[in-house]
Parts: sequence; C-alpha cells; structure tokens
Amino acid sequence: GIQVEQSPPDLILQEGANSTLRCNFSDSVNNLQWFHQNPWGQLINLFYIPSGTKQNGRLSATTVATERYSLLYISSSQTTDSGVYFCAVVSSGYALNFGKGTSLLVTP
Amino acid sequence: GAGVSQSPSNKVTEKGKDVELRCDPISGHTALYWYRQRLGQGLEFLIYFQGNSAPDKSGLPSDRFSAERTGESVSTLTIQRTQQEDSAVYLCASSPAGTGIYEQFFGPGTRLTVL
Repeated sequence: GIQVEQSPPDLILQEGANSTLRCNFSDSVNNLQWFHQNPWGQLINLFYIPSGTKQNGRLSATTVATERYSLLYISSSQTTDSGVYFCAVVSSGYALNFGKGTSLLVTP
Repeated sequence: GAGVSQSPSNKVTEKGKDVELRCDPISGHTALYWYRQRLGQGLEFLIYFQGNSAPDKSGLPSDRFSAERTGESVSTLTIQRTQQEDSAVYLCASSPAGTGIYEQFFGPGTRLTVL
C-alpha cells in the first residue's frame, strides 16, 4: 500500500515562531487531508488539499501532487496550536492512510 | 449542522466481555468509516459502509470485530470477547460519498480500555 512519511516527528517552538511540516507519499493520490489532533484526541480538519495551495488564517498548505509531497505552514504559532498534526491520503479506494504525525509543542 | 457523534466517549471493560460502540454520521453523508488509533500511533482503517452496498470489512483485525449500519444512518461497531490489545480509541468518520475523493470528517472517538 501507499507509504506516508511525515517530518519532523517532533517539534518544539516558542510562541510567535513559524514552522513547516512535511508529508511525503509514495504514490499518486485522490485525496489528501491535514488534521490537527488536539490534546483531548479530537481530529480537527485543517485542509482538504489533493493539489494546489490553500490558506486559512495563520495556516496554509501546499500539495505538489506530481512530486508527491505536501507542506503545512504554521505562522505566528500559539500555544493552542500544540498537538499532533497528521497527513492522510487516499490513493486507491476510499480509506485514508495516515502518517505517524508530527507532535508540536508551542511554549509561551 | 451537527458533526459526527460517537458514544460512549469512554468505555472500560473487563477482558472477555463484549462491547458496542455507536456512531452517528453527519446528516446526508452516505459513506461511513471506522478507524482505530492505538496509543501514540496514526489511525488504521477498520471498515467502510457506502449506502446500501455491502460493507468493506477488509481492515477488521479479527472475527471478534463486526459492524452494522442501518441504511445511511447510525452504525454500531461490536467487539466480542475483548482482549487487552483491543484497547485503543475507535474513531468514526463520514463523507458525502465513498469514492475516496471526498473530505472525511471525524467524530470525537470512543476510548476503550480493556482491563
């Protein structure tokens, strides 16, 4: 099956800093989603982005499908951004295949 | 409208007991998925329902796991004779259709602890 690799696995930032999270995948995809899993375990949809660029407030994402990667940008980070960020893709069929996530801690 | 809801939010059971987990998808979503998340891991697919089609059970880890869905509404995931390795968060998701190109939305999950 498709492989999804996320980097870095862990990240510590000071409040106000910017960061870039990366997701590499091993095959063409029909669907790519970025999620934020908050400390209570809830998966929050950030972006549905199989290709192109999207922005939502301090967050933006870019997927370059031909080169099989996606990037999630977090600007002016806040402590509430802490949690685990997952990239998930659908290559064939319908089930999302998840990476192992990037664990982000934003300190005051 | 309301998002995906799941119940119970937490379930503690003894090894060998049966448990039922419930999922209410977003109204109008024809596709429903169950995933499992073990501690510190990503999510793994369990089962998929699309409308009145036969479900795809290819992700179920053993025959102790089963799931049902009534039409395009509520789904129940049943685990029989629970084992300690079944301890995990069970998440349900729904999407407008099941071709794989639609955004999936997740419920809050049920945290299952098997003692």
